[in-house]
Amino acid sequence: KAGVTQTPRYLIKTRGQQVTLSCSPISGHRSVSWYQQTPGQGLQFLFEYFSETQRNKGNFPGRFSGRQFSNSRSEMNVSTLELGDSALYLCASSLEGGADTQYFGPGTRLTVL
Amino acid sequence: GESVGLHLPTLSVQEGDNSIINCAYSNSASDYFIWYKQESGKGPQFIIDIRSNMDKRQGQRVTVLLNKTVKHLSLQIAATQPGDSAVYFCAETLYNFNKFYFGSGTKLNVKP
Repeated sequence: KAGVTQTPRYLIKTRGQQVTLSCSPISGHRSVSWYQQTPGQGLQFLFEYFSETQRNKGNFPGRFSGRQFSNSRSEMNVSTLELGDSALYLCASSLEGGADTQYFGPGTRLTVL
Repeated sequence: GESVGLHLPTLSVQEGDNSIINCAYSNSASDYFIWYKQESGKGPQFIIDIRSNMDKRQGQRVTVLLNKTVKHLSLQIAATQPGDSAVYFCAETLYNFNKFYFGSGTKLNVKP
């Protein structure tokens, strides 16, 4: 079974631009969570989607948004990029969420110049 | 949000020794905990989990201990190998809450 895939793997943007990241979960997994990882803040929860609905959200500004499609694939969008948005963005999928084991993708490395 | 921290940011051990990685969590209501391993260039990988109704759980070469009295979690790795070199994170959540809080991570260096 293929693992979680994320595209693109690397991205360079400039301040003020917007970006969309994509995540394809493991086949059969319906829950997708997004995390931001930085050296200073570690892994921080962004949001979790299940059956195309956002079930939970972390403490991030409204510039960060996401969605999930009927095939469970998910995208996250960051608008009006700031330098501090430079990070590794990780996606994790699980069967139903909750205490189901989360499987992480390799992440998208976003650099904002 | 909740705060999940680690006592030691970097741990160096000799190959073959046992490793102990510690984690303090802040939410006494958390009832589910996971340890993850993250190698360079990869996403975190599940190692072992434990629910709050247990105080110890063993896997292959790994043991997680939970002390709810002092809100402390530890990961023990037996006979540490070079392939164990990675950053280790603990995470906490309320069971079925769909939202995990991660610690800042401990880097484990295994010396040959």
